[in-house]
Amino acid sequence: EPEVTQTPSHQVTQMGQEVILRCVPISNHLYFYWYRQILGQKVEFLVSFYNNEISEKSEIFDDQFSVERPDGSNFTLKIRSTKLEDSAMYFCASSDRRNNEKLFFGSGTQLSVL
Amino acid sequence: DQQVKQNSPSLSVQEGRISILNCDYTNSMFDYFLWYKKYPAEGPTFLISISSIKDKNEDGRFTVFLNKSAKHLSLHIVPSQPGDSAVYFCAASGTGANNLFFGTGTRLTVIP
Repeated sequence: EPEVTQTPSHQVTQMGQEVILRCVPISNHLYFYWYRQILGQKVEFLVSFYNNEISEKSEIFDDQFSVERPDGSNFTLKIRSTKLEDSAMYFCASSDRRNNEKLFFGSGTQLSVL
Repeated sequence: DQQVKQNSPSLSVQEGRISILNCDYTNSMFDYFLWYKKYPAEGPTFLISISSIKDKNEDGRFTVFLNKSAKHLSLHIVPSQPGDSAVYFCAASGTGANNLFFGTGTRLTVIP
């Protein structure tokens, strides 16, 4: 079964550093998402992306965050200057349909900001 | 912001019995509801969904019930199996929205 792939599985960084989290969505999917889960809390929506542009973003997704689809297969989340509170598990997801009918999630990148 | 709530952080059930996981929501604009299952070190996996025009959707051992007036949905697993042990997330979405609102999850343990 096709799957969403995320790399790296763990990322440790110093506060203030830039990180790029990478995702390879399922190949025929058109809608891409980033979610995150802070330890012990709920999974939270960050951003959705379609047709090479952001279609929706949450309050969490401030100017420190950006997303890009640099080629036909990768989908990246960049955090420009990491803060301690950015420590979380970041999930990439993709879908071939609008309206979240069935999202496929990757296994996540655990980001630890020290 | 607790638009979707799962008030039971954990649930233990004997193998073969029914597991009932509950979820409440506050936003009346939500019209699509989903359940995801998550194993450790994996991402959430879609399990079953229901549209607000229905009150029940069944898929094998899994049934989701929706009570719109109470803003409540539940997931029934019967019979429960040890492999069902995981964290179950309830999620909701509104028409035209591009984001899901998740609950905090319920950890189900099925005891052999």
